[in-house]
Parts: sequence; structure tokens; C-alpha cells
Amino acid sequence: GQNIDQPTEMTATEGAIVQINCTYQTSGFNGLFWYQQHAGEAPTFLSYNVLDGLEEKGRFSSFLSRSKGYSYLLLKELQMKDSASYLCAVSDSNYQLIWGAGTKLIIKP
Amino acid sequence: DAMVIQNPRYQVTQFGKPVTLSCSQTLNHNVMYWYQQKSSQAPKLLFHYYDKDFNNEADTPDNFQSRRPNTSFCFLDIRSPGLGDTAMYLCATSIGSSGANVLTFGAGSRLTVL
Repeated sequence: GQNIDQPTEMTATEGAIVQINCTYQTSGFNGLFWYQQHAGEAPTFLSYNVLDGLEEKGRFSSFLSRSKGYSYLLLKELQMKDSASYLCAVSDSNYQLIWGAGTKLIIKP
Repeated sequence: DAMVIQNPRYQVTQFGKPVTLSCSQTLNHNVMYWYQQKSSQAPKLLFHYYDKDFNNEADTPDNFQSRRPNTSFCFLDIRSPGLGDTAMYLCATSIGSSGANVLTFGAGSRLTVL
């Protein structure tokens, strides 16, 4: 079967750095997405990786290793507004999105 | 601003009483999706349309139906809601269905079945 694994919850301190990991097992691979979802709101797109390596976008970076079936989202200089769930999703061989259950990130002052 | 709009944002209904949720988009995207998301779970795809081409996920219950009368609008009909259908229903759109297929979501319709 197809599977996305991410930690259920993480806690970090304002101003610090946090890394949210995602491992996947899918039938084929056509890219990996990270979405941010604040409580009670819709997911919003953060990043897309299809080649190995690091993609940097401001305070957020996303890394992919296709051989390891692994990605992480790195958040720097954490702000209280970064408290949210972070969803990892993989596009499989049929371009169907397989979603993880999300990692709830709690930021403490 | 181009966007995806869902109505109603909140809906409370009684067990078995039909519900219709609506979604409209001004992005002129070809693909529209309906997802169900329960608390702390992954979004679950119910249906998607590529233009008027309807695609039903194999495990979507028959109780759920969808309509896309034109490119801008899409509806989700729940014919006889059960308690287990309490969830957030998310509408999303995308330009196409392959490649870097970024989804734009509406704010969601939170359905409570009593």
C-alpha cells in the first residue's frame, strides 16, 4: 500500500529552528508537496520538490531524497504565527496525491 | 482577488437530512476536487473533475454525490448524512492534474451531523 509518515506533534520555541520529517512509500513518484494548515482553515501551499536537494524559500526550506523516500521541512526564526499543522503529500505514478495526516507544530514563547 | 469560495462555512444538520455544499472559483482552473478531512487526519479525496470529466474515488460512499454544472461551480450533495460524516469538507482547484500540480483550497465547510 501507499503510506506517508510524519510525526503527529512537535513543540518548538519562538526564534528557534525546527525540522519536520516525512517518509513515504508510494507507487511511483512525481513530486512531494508541503502545505501549511492553520486550525480550522484550509491548507495553503508551501513548497514542491521533484529533484533531490534543498529548496529554500525565505524562512522555509524543503529537502528531498528520492532514494531514501524522505523529505523534511525546515522552519527558521520561528514565529508564533507558524503554529499550524504541516501536511506532506506525494504525487504518485498516476499523479494522485497521497497525503500524510500532518504534523501539528506548537510554538512556545 | 482570484479565489476559491465555499458555502456555507458552517453547517449543522440532523442525521439523515440532505445537505448541499457549494464551491465556486474565479481562477479558471480546469480541475476541481472535493476532500473530506476529519480532525487530525489526512484529507481524503472524494471526487475530482477534469473539466466535465467526473472521477469518483473507489471508496467514496454512494451517499456522496457531486455536480459540476459549469467550470466555475461544483457542488457536494450528501443524501443521508450519518454521524460519521461530521468533518471539514474542502474544495480545491488546480490548473491541470500532472506535474507540479499545486492545489488552491477554499476555506472549507465544517459539517456537523447530530
